Amino acid sequence: EAGVAQSPRYKIIEKRQSVAFWCNPISGHATLYWYQQILGQGPKLLIQFQNNGVVDDSQLPKDRFSAERLKGVDSTLKIQPAKLEDSAVYLCASSFSPPDTQYFGPGTRLTVL
Amino acid sequence: QKEVEQNSGPLSVPEGAIASLNCTYSDRGSQSFFWYRQYSGKSPELIMSIYSNGDKEDGRFTAQLNKASQYVSLLIRDSQPSDSATYLCAVNSMASDAGNNRKLIWGLGTSLAVNP
Repeated sequence: EAGVAQSPRYKIIEKRQSVAFWCNPISGHATLYWYQQILGQGPKLLIQFQNNGVVDDSQLPKDRFSAERLKGVDSTLKIQPAKLEDSAVYLCASSFSPPDTQYFGPGTRLTVL
Repeated sequence: QKEVEQNSGPLSVPEGAIASLNCTYSDRGSQSFFWYRQYSGKSPELIMSIYSNGDKEDGRFTAQLNKASQYVSLLIRDSQPSDSATYLCAVNSMASDAGNNRKLIWGLGTSLAVNP
């Protein structure tokens, strides 16, 4: 069974630029999560999708972050414009349904200069 | 605000010893509890999940849950240098700001170092 796929693995941008991340969950997993993990901290949930609907985006900085999950499968997370404090690892995870076990992709390491 | 607390460590144990990792949580209604291992530069991977009071064993790993005291622990027997990582405790909790949705609340993780 293929795991959660993410791309790119690394991204370096300058502040005020925009960036987008892509995630393909495990086949059949209806729930998809985007997390932000800053070094030394636990993952922070940014947004949770159930199929293609948003279940929880209470911690998503909506003035600069956006996410979509078209057709209930792949998802993209966008930051525009980026700030220095957005430097982190962005993790995508999926589960069959909440509150089932979440499986993580390899993550995207974002550096904002 | 629902919380999950872990000692940040580092916890240092000699090879072959038992490593004990602890986690406390604030939401008495929590029903699912997870331990994830995260190597430096890698993403979290599931080690154990536990849903009922008591012990659950899987190889060298034992998860212990005590809902009355609101803690969950992870024991690693015969610790190996390859066990050196950060261990994240995650608790499924009712999200007070998202209707009836439940979401994982994560601890900050405990860094474990197993010394040869």
